[in-house]
Amino acid sequence: DAGVTQSPTHLIKTRGQHVTLRCSPISGHKSVSWYQQVLGQGPQFIFQYYEKEERGRGNFPDRFSARQFPNYSSELNVNALLLGDSALYLCASSSQGPDTQYFGPGTRLTVL
Amino acid sequence: KNEVEQSPQNLTAQEGEFITINCSYSVGISALHWLQQHPGGGIVSLFMLSSGKKKHGRLIATINIQEKHSSLHITASHPRDSAVYICAVRLWLGGTGNQFYFGTGTSLTVIP
Repeated sequence: DAGVTQSPTHLIKTRGQHVTLRCSPISGHKSVSWYQQVLGQGPQFIFQYYEKEERGRGNFPDRFSARQFPNYSSELNVNALLLGDSALYLCASSSQGPDTQYFGPGTRLTVL
Repeated sequence: KNEVEQSPQNLTAQEGEFITINCSYSVGISALHWLQQHPGGGIVSLFMLSSGKKKHGRLIATINIQEKHSSLHITASHPRDSAVYICAVRLWLGGTGNQFYFGTGTSLTVIP
């Protein structure tokens, strides 16, 4: 069975640009969460979605937004990129919100 | 102020040693997760705990809700256990949904 997949694997953007990251959960999982991990630090929670509704939000500016589609895949959008947005962006899925989370390989974003 | 504190930050052990990693948190939680992250970023969920103790192979996780403390133990450590171990807690905040806080991780190196 396929695990959580994320695309793209890596990307490079410049300050001020916009980026869209994508996540496909494990088949049957209805919850997707997004995390940002800056090099050398632990992950930070950005969003959680369950059944297409936002079920949690971390302390991130409004430049960060996300949505979940009817097939439970999800997109994370970041507008007006800053150098500090450079990080590994992780997606995790679970069958329900409180369940064990399964992490994808991440998307490494570099902002120049 | 970090809601989740881990100790030690770095740990080097000889193969076969018994290892303990500690996690303390300052908020009321719904669940605590122990995660393993290998170089390159991949994260594996090891345990999700809300009370008591769980065991999986050579790994044991315990939690004391009253003391707001959890430990991850590795018995008969092996070089393949070398990784960063991260403690994360989940809170249910009612109207605003779930919130997750992560420790900064414990970097474990097991020497043959």
